[in-house]
Amino acid sequence: QSVLTQSPSASGTPGQRVTISCSGSSSNIGRNYVYWFQQLPGTAPKLLISTDYRRPSGVPDRFSGSKSGTSASLAISGLRSEDEADYYCSAWDDSLSGVVFGGGTKLTVL
Amino acid sequence: QVQLVESGGGVVQPGRSRRLSCAASGFTFMSYAMHWVRQAPGKGLEWVAVISFDGKNKNYAASVKGRFTISRDNSKNTLHLQMDSLRAEDTAVYYCARDQFILMTNIEYWGQGILVTVSS
Repeated sequence: QSVLTQSPSASGTPGQRVTISCSGSSSNIGRNYVYWFQQLPGTAPKLLISTDYRRPSGVPDRFSGSKSGTSASLAISGLRSEDEADYYCSAWDDSLSGVVFGGGTKLTVL
Repeated sequence: QVQLVESGGGVVQPGRSRRLSCAASGFTFMSYAMHWVRQAPGKGLEWVAVISFDGKNKNYAASVKGRFTISRDNSKNTLHLQMDSLRAEDTAVYYCARDQFILMTNIEYWGQGILVTVSS
């Protein structure tokens, strides 16, 4: 059972906007930055969003992150076939003194 | 560019030990905290351990505490994970990862991962 809660799956058609949510608690999301990672099939995870909403260099502006209280969201606009991947939210947890992850959301582009 | 290359994986019998290493390059290794994260086959990401930039502070997931030891050699730009008393449930791809900051916060870069299979 993951400390952060994500829906296991999401889907959309090309061009659509999709939102992936992540729920935590006061010891993690409520107090620390949220990070989002993208894992394409058969590859290592890659940082998509850092410190709640910042996009690393090279990440398209179709990807955006937001946070409110103990929940966070990743939005993908203008959905493309290459966005089909697993997406994980993450945060530092003060109670566990470590990084916690969501269970991952598998995004399917129909 | 940042490169993290893991080594030391393979098949190991239950109860035995294995040491993973991670060679870092492309950044000032001694200026960042470092992590190990694992992913069991077909499962999600599980954080394993973190070590501070100077090696003085270490934290572990409950599932590995007392069995795994994270360490670093800043003179050789290398991160290690000593895994003892291995169990079948430790079977996973193990990723070496660099923190975004000098303090322990979260991950910015990942290695390509290395598979450890615990089986008799």
